[in-house]
Amino acid sequence: QVQLVQSGAEVEKPGASVRVSCKASGYTFTTSFMHWVRQAPGQRLEWMGQIHIGSSSTVYSPKFQGRITITRDTFASTVSVELSSLRSEDTAVYFCAKEGSSGSHFTKSFDYWGQGTLVTVSS
Amino acid sequence: QSALSQPPSASGSPGQSVTISCTGTSSDVGRYDSVSWYQQHPGKAPKLMIYEVTKRPSGVPDRFSGSKSDNTASLTVSGLQTEDEADYYCSSYTDSDNRYVFGTGTKVTVL
Repeated sequence: QVQLVQSGAEVEKPGASVRVSCKASGYTFTTSFMHWVRQAPGQRLEWMGQIHIGSSSTVYSPKFQGRITITRDTFASTVSVELSSLRSEDTAVYFCAKEGSSGSHFTKSFDYWGQGTLVTVSS
Repeated sequence: QSALSQPPSASGSPGQSVTISCTGTSSDVGRYDSVSWYQQHPGKAPKLMIYEVTKRPSGVPDRFSGSKSDNTASLTVSGLQTEDEADYYCSSYTDSDNRYVFGTGTKVTVL
């Protein structure tokens, strides 16, 4: 069965960087897209960016451009997101989410999610 | 980053139906059949309930159905059950640089 297991909670100071990882299993990792979505306390979901595992091609939300880097390690079946220049507004739960596929196309929806990683930015 | 517009809350008694709307623009909901719906219980990860406007993933009860008209998509939950009480978010692919946009979220209460 598909599983996405994320790294543990992080506490960082303003201006620092944080890296969250997501280990995938149970499906063909190399032909998939993985996305990162975050949710600030009591707020809505917010899309951050995506990576195509096979090509490592990335697309980032303009909101995070310049501060975000998404990478993958195909040998470890792991995707990571790094966010730099952290500020208090970056305090949120960060989710990795696998994009669904149907036949020969991707569905532009997120069919499996990691358990979430709480990142707290505080001085 | 504009969000899709959803009503903050919706409610119904067990066995009744509730419909949640999701209003976007001609750049997202109106342009692409890539609307999806997610159920989120407190402290949990979202769960995919509907994708590509009307399709249900394996394991999602057929009480959940989706539709779309122009720039507004809808999720209907028929035969409400207590376990349906949760937050629901819509999402759409968009032709903006942002690629994906989520809705503001709707809290469904089973009375």
